[in-house]
Parts: sequence; C-alpha cells; structure tokens
Amino acid sequence: RKEVEQDPGPFNVPEGATVAFNCTYSNSASQSFFWYRQDCRKEPKLLMSVYSSGNEDGRFTAQLNRASQYISLLIRDSKLSDSATYLCVVNTGNFNKFYFGSGTKLNVKP
Amino acid sequence: DAGVTQSPTHLIKTRGQQVTLRCSPKSGHDTVSWYQQALGQGPQFIFQYYEEEERQRGNFPDRFSGHQFPNYSSELNVNALLLGDSALYLCASSSPPRAGYEQYFGPGTRLTVT
Repeated sequence: RKEVEQDPGPFNVPEGATVAFNCTYSNSASQSFFWYRQDCRKEPKLLMSVYSSGNEDGRFTAQLNRASQYISLLIRDSKLSDSATYLCVVNTGNFNKFYFGSGTKLNVKP
Repeated sequence: DAGVTQSPTHLIKTRGQQVTLRCSPKSGHDTVSWYQQALGQGPQFIFQYYEEEERQRGNFPDRFSGHQFPNYSSELNVNALLLGDSALYLCASSSPPRAGYEQYFGPGTRLTVT
C-alpha cells in the first residue's frame, strides 16, 4: 500500500469554480502535512502547510482529519493560473523523510 | 537570497555509465534530500544528508549513493545506469532536520538514459 494516495484527476473546472482535492495517508504516526504545487516540467513549490486546526491562505483552505487519515485542499474562485498538479506530502517523523502522493492535476478553463 | 541550485539541468547517458548530480542548498539550510520523479509520478525519496552523513534512505538500491560537503552542498551518484533511471532528479533543502519543517526544491536535473 502506498504511503500517500491521491486521485490523479484531471479535474477540469471553469474559472470561478470551487474545487476540492483529498489525499489519504497510511501511517497514523505521520506528523506533518503539506500541499505542494508543481507546474509542468518544473520543481514542486510549497503551497501551504496543513495544521490540525485547519488553515486558510487567501483562496486556499487546507484541512487535516487525523482520525480518518486524510488531508484536503479547497480552492475557491479558481483562476487560470491555478492550473497545475497538486501534490499531497506527508512527513512520517524523524529527519524530514517526506512521502509524496502522485499528484492531482487541475485544469482551469476560461 | 539564493534558492536551491542544481547542475546540470539536463544530462544524457548510456546504460551502464555512471552519473554525478550536484546540489547547493538554500542559504541557511544544512539538510539536503534527493528525490527521483518519474513521468506522471510524485517524487520518490532517495536519501537525506545532514552533517555530512546519510541520515535516512528510501527504497533505492546501492547503485544510488551520495555525499555532503562541509559547505552543505551535496552530490548524488548513480552507477551502472539502467533505462529505468531516466527521471527528473530533485534536490530539496531544509533546516533544521526535524519533522515539520518545509522543504524547498531546486529546479531538478533531467536525466535520460539511452
């Protein structure tokens, strides 16, 4: 079983739509969680950390459900520039050993 | 503030050859991790270096080895290249090497093995 699983998509949405991605992780001892964004043929870039209480950054909201071992990302008022692959990342503990999901591709259409 | 840098950007090698990839971490970072990203997949953790030692390792064979220098820069070496080693190799830096700290990625080295 993979450490981190994501729906690969693609999610095709119109501009202005709200879209949500989910991600599940297998290790209940996981300690920290992140969403990264990766544009085509570029490196992943940190979008936001995910805190137990949930956190928001502008149009982006991240939630963590430890009991069910899933993480979510909500994007409101989608922009064309949001088109990218979104990677769910879990850190299982010591020394920053990160596990990445395969990514969810988002296409925002005019 | 310089971010994470990697060299070379692209590389073409033949099966059986050896390759060395290089990474300089973001200023102020002392921990370097290496990842392999195959097309359509998420990055897979290879190993992590801190204080010039390999501290963690993913499920990669011994053909993959590395080194960290006193200035925190790092090298990834791959011996006896296979076609399946073709991928984007990403270096990420962070500090300190404890759980919960974000990693910052370099632009990657795209390796093609023919």
